[in-house]
Amino acid sequence: AQSVTQLGSHVSVSEGALVLLRCNYSSSVPPYLFWYVQYPNQGLQLLLKYTTGATLVKGINGFEAEFKKSETSFHLTKPSAHMSDAAEYFCAVSPSTGGFKTIFGAGTRLFVKA
Amino acid sequence: DAGVIQSPRHEVTEMGQEVTLRCKPISGHNSLFWYRQTMMRGLELLIYFNNNVPIDDSGMPEDRFSAKMPNASFSTLKIQPSEPRDSAVYFCASSSPSRGTEAFFGQGTRLTVV
Repeated sequence: AQSVTQLGSHVSVSEGALVLLRCNYSSSVPPYLFWYVQYPNQGLQLLLKYTTGATLVKGINGFEAEFKKSETSFHLTKPSAHMSDAAEYFCAVSPSTGGFKTIFGAGTRLFVKA
Repeated sequence: DAGVIQSPRHEVTEMGQEVTLRCKPISGHNSLFWYRQTMMRGLELLIYFNNNVPIDDSGMPEDRFSAKMPNASFSTLKIQPSEPRDSAVYFCASSSPSRGTEAFFGQGTRLTVV
């Protein structure tokens, strides 16, 4: 069975500082990995995803994430936080074989201080 | 495409009443997911369909919950009878037939049971 763990339910950074949101997964085979963002009163939207190929993936709004198989991690980073980045971020996994069940982490709420 | 369309956006109902949430997936997508989001439990997968067939309903909390997908363009999630603890935001999401593709989320239905 697959699972996702996001370390830290809340992360606070200053505007212009590095953003680092942590995600670790558990899966018998390397899964597909996703980061989604949710703004207040909205649905989730995709930031970026890893399926195969290059392990460093770039997404929208300057975010990127690196798949590290040895660490079973898929941490999300952004070099310089902007006020508009304040939102909730979800890491998710779906199987690369078998079914299509996508499992989400508990989410990390990002606060950006002026 | 208009994206995943959910209705209603908000629903307030009295305990014991039947509630029906509706979802229209993106045309051409053959996987459909129902999620529930609460502060306490985060984002939970309730059920997912592939080609209109329920594949995994292990997340459905109890028999009061039922979901149907009579055709490729419509799905319902029904709660009968509703209880205050069912209050949550319910999201519908769909994805395309290709493995590794992301789920596209609707705006959600905020359900309040009083």
